[in-house]
Amino acid sequence: NAGVTQTPKFRILKIGQSMTLQCTQDMNHNYMYWYRQDPGMGLKLIYYSVGAGITDKGEVPNGYNVSRSTTEDFPLRLELAAPSQTSVYFCASSPTLDEQYFGPGTRLTVT
Amino acid sequence: AQSVTQLDSQVPVFEEAPVELRCNYSSSVSVYLFWYVQYPNQGLQLLLKYLSGSTLVKGINGFEAEFNKSQTSFHLRKPSVHISDTAEYFCAVSEIQGGSEKLVFGKGTKLTVNP
Repeated sequence: NAGVTQTPKFRILKIGQSMTLQCTQDMNHNYMYWYRQDPGMGLKLIYYSVGAGITDKGEVPNGYNVSRSTTEDFPLRLELAAPSQTSVYFCASSPTLDEQYFGPGTRLTVT
Repeated sequence: AQSVTQLDSQVPVFEEAPVELRCNYSSSVSVYLFWYVQYPNQGLQLLLKYLSGSTLVKGINGFEAEFNKSQTSFHLRKPSVHISDTAEYFCAVSEIQGGSEKLVFGKGTKLTVNP
Protein backbone atom coordinates (compact mmCIF):
# COMPACT_ATOMS: atom_id res chain seq x y z
CA ASN A 1 0.00 0.00 0.00
CA ALA A 2 1.25 3.46 -0.90
CA GLY A 3 -1.19 5.01 1.61
CA VAL A 4 -2.01 8.65 0.85
CA THR A 5 -0.05 10.27 -1.96
CA GLN A 6 0.00 13.95 -2.87
CA THR A 7 1.33 15.76 -5.91
CA PRO A 8 3.11 18.03 -6.45
CA LYS A 9 5.49 18.25 -3.47
CA PHE A 10 6.30 21.90 -4.14
CA ARG A 11 4.76 24.60 -6.31
CA ILE A 12 5.19 28.31 -6.83
CA LEU A 13 2.20 30.17 -8.24
CA LYS A 14 1.76 33.72 -9.36
CA ILE A 15 -1.14 35.74 -7.96
CA GLY A 16 -4.29 35.01 -9.93
CA GLN A 17 -3.16 31.65 -11.31
CA SER A 18 -5.08 28.45 -10.68
CA MET A 19 -3.94 24.93 -9.84
CA THR A 20 -5.13 21.57 -8.60
CA LEU A 21 -3.50 19.70 -5.75
CA GLN A 22 -3.88 15.97 -6.24
CA CYS A 23 -4.60 13.46 -3.48
CA THR A 24 -5.02 9.71 -3.88
CA GLN A 25 -5.45 6.96 -1.31
CA ASP A 26 -5.34 3.21 -1.90
CA MET A 27 -6.84 2.07 1.42
CA ASN A 28 -10.49 2.22 0.31
CA HIS A 29 -11.26 4.79 2.99
CA ASN A 30 -14.59 6.58 2.78
CA TYR A 31 -13.50 9.76 4.53
CA MET A 32 -11.02 12.20 3.03
CA TYR A 33 -9.86 15.61 4.19
CA TRP A 34 -7.86 18.64 3.09
CA TYR A 35 -6.00 20.73 5.66
CA ARG A 36 -3.71 23.69 5.49
CA GLN A 37 -0.90 24.17 7.98
CA ASP A 38 0.49 27.59 8.76
CA PRO A 39 3.35 28.15 11.25
CA GLY A 40 2.13 28.22 14.85
CA MET A 41 -1.50 27.71 13.82
CA GLY A 42 -1.89 23.95 13.73
CA LEU A 43 -3.99 22.40 10.99
CA LYS A 44 -7.16 23.97 9.67
CA LEU A 45 -9.76 21.91 7.82
CA ILE A 46 -10.55 23.23 4.33
CA TYR A 47 -12.96 20.61 2.93
CA TYR A 48 -13.87 17.04 3.68
CA SER A 49 -15.74 14.17 2.07
CA VAL A 50 -17.60 11.24 3.62
CA GLY A 51 -17.77 9.30 0.37
CA ALA A 52 -17.75 9.56 -3.40
CA GLY A 53 -20.04 12.36 -4.55
CA ILE A 54 -20.33 13.95 -1.10
CA THR A 55 -18.26 16.93 0.03
CA ASP A 56 -18.65 19.57 2.70
CA LYS A 57 -16.94 22.73 3.86
CA GLY A 58 -14.55 22.83 6.75
CA GLU A 59 -13.33 25.77 8.76
CA VAL A 60 -11.52 27.70 5.98
CA PRO A 61 -13.09 26.85 2.58
CA ASN A 62 -12.94 30.27 0.90
CA GLY A 63 -10.85 30.31 -2.26
CA TYR A 64 -10.91 26.52 -2.65
CA ASN A 65 -13.06 23.88 -4.31
CA VAL A 66 -13.11 20.10 -4.19
CA SER A 67 -14.70 17.18 -5.94
CA ARG A 68 -14.92 13.47 -5.12
CA SER A 69 -15.86 11.43 -8.14
CA THR A 70 -14.14 8.25 -6.90
CA THR A 71 -13.32 6.75 -3.51
CA GLU A 72 -9.59 7.06 -4.23
CA ASP A 73 -9.21 10.66 -5.39
CA PHE A 74 -9.93 13.97 -3.69
CA PRO A 75 -8.41 16.89 -5.63
CA LEU A 76 -8.29 20.40 -4.21
CA ARG A 77 -8.68 23.27 -6.65
CA LEU A 78 -7.33 26.77 -6.05
CA GLU A 79 -8.90 29.43 -8.23
CA LEU A 80 -7.31 32.89 -8.46
CA ALA A 81 -4.42 32.18 -6.10
CA ALA A 82 -3.69 34.80 -3.43
CA PRO A 83 -0.64 35.29 -1.16
CA SER A 84 -2.84 34.28 1.82
CA GLN A 85 -2.98 30.77 0.31
CA THR A 86 0.76 30.30 0.79
CA SER A 87 0.82 27.30 3.09
CA VAL A 88 1.54 23.60 3.40
CA TYR A 89 -1.43 21.50 2.34
CA PHE A 90 -2.10 18.04 3.73
CA CYS A 91 -4.56 15.47 2.50
CA ALA A 92 -5.74 12.73 4.87
CA SER A 93 -8.05 9.75 4.75
CA SER A 94 -9.85 7.72 7.39
CA PRO A 95 -11.96 4.54 7.48
CA THR A 96 -14.24 5.88 10.23
CA LEU A 97 -14.02 8.30 13.15
CA ASP A 98 -10.78 6.53 13.97
CA GLU A 99 -7.31 7.80 13.10
CA GLN A 100 -6.57 9.77 9.98
CA TYR A 101 -3.73 8.84 7.65
CA PHE A 102 -1.84 11.80 6.25
CA GLY A 103 -0.03 12.37 2.99
CA PRO A 104 3.44 13.96 2.85
CA GLY A 105 2.11 17.43 2.01
CA THR A 106 2.35 20.02 -0.76
CA ARG A 107 4.27 23.19 -0.07
CA LEU A 108 2.66 26.06 -2.01
CA THR A 109 4.00 29.57 -2.38
CA VAL A 110 1.94 32.31 -4.03
CA THR A 111 3.91 35.40 -5.09
CA ALA B 1 -18.15 23.01 18.77
CA GLN B 2 -15.05 21.40 20.11
CA SER B 3 -11.75 23.18 20.66
CA VAL B 4 -8.26 22.17 21.71
CA THR B 5 -5.65 24.12 23.67
CA GLN B 6 -2.03 23.06 23.80
CA LEU B 7 -0.64 25.00 26.68
CA ASP B 8 2.99 25.15 25.58
CA SER B 9 4.11 26.17 22.11
CA GLN B 10 7.72 25.08 22.74
CA VAL B 11 9.22 22.61 25.21
CA PRO B 12 13.00 22.22 25.43
CA VAL B 13 14.33 19.27 27.43
CA PHE B 14 17.59 17.39 27.85
CA GLU B 15 18.05 13.87 26.56
CA GLU B 16 16.88 11.15 28.98
CA ALA B 17 14.74 13.64 30.95
CA PRO B 18 10.98 13.09 31.35
CA VAL B 19 8.57 15.25 29.41
CA GLU B 20 4.89 16.16 29.57
CA LEU B 21 3.08 17.96 26.76
CA ARG B 22 -0.21 19.41 27.92
CA CYS B 23 -3.51 19.35 26.09
CA ASN B 24 -6.94 20.55 27.20
CA TYR B 25 -10.12 20.36 25.19
CA SER B 26 -13.65 21.66 25.39
CA SER B 27 -16.72 19.88 24.10
CA SER B 28 -20.34 19.47 25.12
CA VAL B 29 -20.46 15.82 24.00
CA SER B 30 -18.28 12.74 24.31
CA VAL B 31 -15.04 12.82 22.36
CA TYR B 32 -12.27 10.78 20.85
CA LEU B 33 -8.77 12.11 21.53
CA PHE B 34 -5.56 11.80 19.56
CA TRP B 35 -1.91 12.77 19.62
CA TYR B 36 -0.06 13.09 16.33
CA VAL B 37 3.65 13.69 15.71
CA GLN B 38 5.15 15.59 12.81
CA TYR B 39 8.85 15.26 12.04
CA PRO B 40 10.46 18.03 9.97
CA ASN B 41 9.16 18.23 6.38
CA GLN B 42 6.85 15.26 6.85
CA GLY B 43 3.15 14.59 7.27
CA LEU B 44 1.52 13.74 10.57
CA GLN B 45 1.51 10.25 12.01
CA LEU B 46 -0.55 8.89 14.87
CA LEU B 47 1.18 8.47 18.24
CA LEU B 48 -1.80 7.24 20.24
CA LYS B 49 -5.55 7.57 20.59
CA TYR B 50 -8.28 7.34 23.20
CA LEU B 51 -11.60 6.01 21.99
CA SER B 52 -12.99 4.31 25.11
CA GLY B 53 -11.99 2.01 27.98
CA SER B 54 -8.84 2.51 30.02
CA THR B 55 -7.98 6.16 30.49
CA LEU B 56 -4.24 5.45 30.28
CA VAL B 57 -3.30 4.97 26.66
CA LYS B 58 0.05 3.70 25.45
CA GLY B 59 1.37 4.61 22.03
CA ILE B 60 4.39 4.20 19.85
CA ASN B 61 7.96 5.19 20.76
CA GLY B 62 7.31 4.88 24.51
CA PHE B 63 4.74 7.68 24.72
CA GLU B 64 1.60 7.48 26.83
CA ALA B 65 -1.31 9.78 27.60
CA GLU B 66 -4.01 9.90 30.25
CA PHE B 67 -7.58 10.97 29.57
CA ASN B 68 -9.01 12.98 32.46
CA LYS B 69 -12.67 13.67 31.83
CA SER B 70 -13.22 15.90 34.86
CA GLN B 71 -10.30 18.13 33.88
CA THR B 72 -10.95 17.75 30.14
CA SER B 73 -7.29 16.99 29.61
CA PHE B 74 -5.25 14.52 27.59
CA HIS B 75 -1.60 15.16 28.49
CA LEU B 76 1.16 13.30 26.68
CA ARG B 77 4.11 11.90 28.64
CA LYS B 78 7.36 10.07 28.10
CA PRO B 79 9.62 9.05 31.01
CA SER B 80 12.90 9.43 29.11
CA VAL B 81 13.23 11.26 25.80
CA HIS B 82 15.72 10.75 22.99
CA ILE B 83 17.19 13.18 20.49
CA SER B 84 15.03 11.49 17.86
CA ASP B 85 11.86 12.63 19.67
CA THR B 86 12.53 16.17 18.49
CA ALA B 87 9.40 17.01 16.50
CA GLU B 88 6.12 18.89 16.66
CA TYR B 89 3.26 17.24 18.52
CA PHE B 90 -0.41 17.90 17.89
CA CYS B 91 -3.34 17.08 20.11
CA ALA B 92 -6.66 16.57 18.31
CA VAL B 93 -10.28 15.92 19.31
CA SER B 94 -13.21 14.47 17.43
CA GLU B 95 -16.74 14.81 18.74
CA ILE B 96 -18.81 11.64 18.88
CA GLN B 97 -22.06 12.75 17.36
CA GLY B 98 -24.06 11.67 14.36
CA GLY B 99 -22.50 12.67 11.08
CA SER B 100 -19.49 14.46 12.52
CA GLU B 101 -16.22 13.01 11.35
CA LYS B 102 -14.02 16.05 11.79
CA LEU B 103 -10.87 16.43 13.82
CA VAL B 104 -10.00 19.73 15.47
CA PHE B 105 -6.29 20.21 16.09
CA GLY B 106 -4.42 22.20 18.65
CA LYS B 107 -1.74 24.63 17.50
CA GLY B 108 1.05 22.23 18.26
CA THR B 109 3.95 21.92 20.70
CA LYS B 110 7.51 21.87 19.40
CA LEU B 111 9.57 19.47 21.47
CA THR B 112 13.32 20.00 21.25
CA VAL B 113 15.54 17.40 22.88
CA ASN B 114 19.03 18.64 23.57
CA PRO B 115 22.12 16.48 24.23
